[in-house]
Amino acid sequence: AQSVTQLDSHVSVSEGTPVLLRCNYSSSYSPSLFWYVQHPNKGLQLLLKYTSAATLVKGINGFEAEFKKSETSFHLTKPSAHMSDAAEYFCVVSSSYNQGGKLIFGQGTELSVKP
Amino acid sequence: ETGVTQSPTHLIKTRGQQVTLRCSSQSGHNTVSWYQQALGQGPQFIFQYYREEENGRGNFPPRFSGLQFPNYSSELNVNALELDDSALYLCASTLGRTGETQYFGPGTRLLVL
Repeated sequence: AQSVTQLDSHVSVSEGTPVLLRCNYSSSYSPSLFWYVQHPNKGLQLLLKYTSAATLVKGINGFEAEFKKSETSFHLTKPSAHMSDAAEYFCVVSSSYNQGGKLIFGQGTELSVKP
Repeated sequence: ETGVTQSPTHLIKTRGQQVTLRCSSQSGHNTVSWYQQALGQGPQFIFQYYREEENGRGNFPPRFSGLQFPNYSSELNVNALELDDSALYLCASTLGRTGETQYFGPGTRLLVL
């Protein structure tokens, strides 16, 4: 079975400093992994996805994530935080390839950005 | 904006009532999935429809049911509402049975009193 664990429920950074949101996954085969962002009272927006191509994945708004099979990790980073980055972030794994791509979400990490 | 729309945006019901939520998929997408997001938690998969047939179901009771129409729009029906059904209900669309990038709508917030 597939699962994801987001290691921090809340992360606080200052504007202009780096962001690191940590995610570990469990999968019995090569997974598809995603990061989604949810702003208050909004739906989910896809930031980036990994589907067994390049291990370093670049997404929107300057975010990127690195797939590390040996560490079963898929951490999300951004070099410099902006106030508009404050939101809830979800690490997501896709279920087995023959189940129509059901998404399994982590519990979420709330990112706060201080001026 | 993803092109996925949901209605209504907010809804208040009382325990025991029935509710229908609606979703219009992004143009060209033939697969719709529904998720329930309780307050402070990640979304949980309810079920998925592909070309009007159910294509996978999560750990939800039978009082959660759905439909997909020939134009690929979809409905989520919940009977005998319980207080714990209060949540944000998200619809996502994608192309194909195994399409993986799912595009989400803004959600319907349901409050059960």
